Amino acid sequence: SQQGEEDPQALSIQEGENATMNCSYKTSINNLQWYRQNSGRGLVHLILIRSNEREKHSGRLRVTLDTSKKSSSLLITASRAADTASYFCATDARGYSSASKIIFGSGTRLSIRP
Amino acid sequence: EAQVTQNPRYLITVTGKKLTVTCSQNMNHEYMSWYRQDPGLGLRQIYYSMNVEVTDKGDVPEGYKVSRKEKRNFPLILESPSPNQTSLYFCASSPLTSGGALFETQYFGPGTRLLVL
Repeated sequence: SQQGEEDPQALSIQEGENATMNCSYKTSINNLQWYRQNSGRGLVHLILIRSNEREKHSGRLRVTLDTSKKSSSLLITASRAADTASYFCATDARGYSSASKIIFGSGTRLSIRP
Repeated sequence: EAQVTQNPRYLITVTGKKLTVTCSQNMNHEYMSWYRQDPGLGLRQIYYSMNVEVTDKGDVPEGYKVSRKEKRNFPLILESPSPNQTSLYFCASSPLTSGGALFETQYFGPGTRLLVL
C-alpha cells in the first residue's frame, strides 16, 4: 500500500472558504512535499516541509507536520476558483540513508464552487 | 527556461511492440524518476536514478527498463508493452542536497499518455 494517504478523497467548498487536506505516512521521512495537479497535467510543487519543521507558510498555503503522528495537513485559505485541482503529498520513503524512493498519496480532489 | 521535457506526449501502440519514452532535463539535476498515474491510485514510482549509471526500482518496475547514460536524459523503455501499461506517465527531476542525502523539490514533465491495444 502507498505510504502517503490523503483525506478526504474529494472536497467541495464555496469560494472564499478555507480548505484543509490531510496526509498520513508510515515510515520515517526527511521531508514531505505537497503538489498540485490540474486535470491530467503535470504536477506543480507547492511547498516542502522538513522533518525538523512543524509549520510552514507560503502565500495562502499553510502546511503543518506532526512527525509523532506521521501526518501533515495543507490549509488553503480564502479559496479561489483557480484552486480547483487535485492535491498530493509526497514523502521520501527512507530512514537516514541516501535519497531513494518517493511515495505519493492518492490525492484529494478539491472543487471550489463559485 | 528550466524544464523537463517528455516525448512523445501521446502514443497509441499494440501489445508487444517495443517503445521508448524520452525524458530530458536542463537543470543539471542528479535525481530523475518515472511515475505512472492511474485513476484512484495517485502516482506510483516506476524507476528512479540518483545519478549517471545509478538506477533503482520504485514500487512498480515490472515491465519497464530505464537507463541513465547522461545526466540530462532518463528514457523509459517498454520492451513488450501490455494493455495494463496503459497509463499517464510522468518524468521528474530533482536536485539532491547535503552531499546527495536530501531529496528536494521535483520538477515534472508534461506527461505522456500511453494506450496499449
